[in-house]
Amino acid sequence: NAGVTQTPKFRVLKTGQSMTLLCAQDMNHEYMYWYRQDPGMGLRLIHYSVGEGTTAKGEVPDGYNVSRLKKQNFLLGLESAAPSQTSVYFCASSRALRAEKLFFGSGTQLSVL
Amino acid sequence: DAKTTQPPSMDCAEGRAANLPCNHSTISGNEYVYWYRQIHSQGPQYIIHGLKNNETNEMASLIITEDRKSSTLILPHATLRDTAVYYCIVRVLPNFGNEKLTFGTGTRLTIIP
Repeated sequence: NAGVTQTPKFRVLKTGQSMTLLCAQDMNHEYMYWYRQDPGMGLRLIHYSVGEGTTAKGEVPDGYNVSRLKKQNFLLGLESAAPSQTSVYFCASSRALRAEKLFFGSGTQLSVL
Repeated sequence: DAKTTQPPSMDCAEGRAANLPCNHSTISGNEYVYWYRQIHSQGPQYIIHGLKNNETNEMASLIITEDRKSSTLILPHATLRDTAVYYCIVRVLPNFGNEKLTFGTGTRLTIIP
């Protein structure tokens, strides 16, 4: 009964380092999303996926890459972290088609020094 | 998706009904109104959604005006645990190949003991 699980919960990076955030869902959802949340700016969509093997850009995709090799996992990568990527990252998932609601993970706090 | 406008903050006394307004004057005929909330440091949580009829569930009621240009989320008996940021968003359902949501800055609701 885990729902959407994000790892890690906290991470500190130095500028230029790379890392991958993992999102896993156990609800057999087709759609998965990565958002970032910054003070006063709400949630902004980074990338999303409408099914295994597919990804698409959201509102703020620059500096990020994603992969959806397995239906249950959606990975968010930062190849060369920048201080502007300091944020809280949320993963979400929803059923295909009549997706009434998004299910969110508990977030990853990332600081880039 | 249509844009929404919400007051940045509101207070409500514990035990009273909290009424959160949302303006979505550019909403189109096939767009639904959704409400989510985010309690501090947690992922957003789905509350309710509707198209044109008023809706009620175990968490809240949603009142949509006849012209659908605005709506009100009602928490009938607010408790301290309802203190959160409330997001009103509109989206098409279903939205094949474009399942993405834009969260604005929301309303910060504070329940006063």
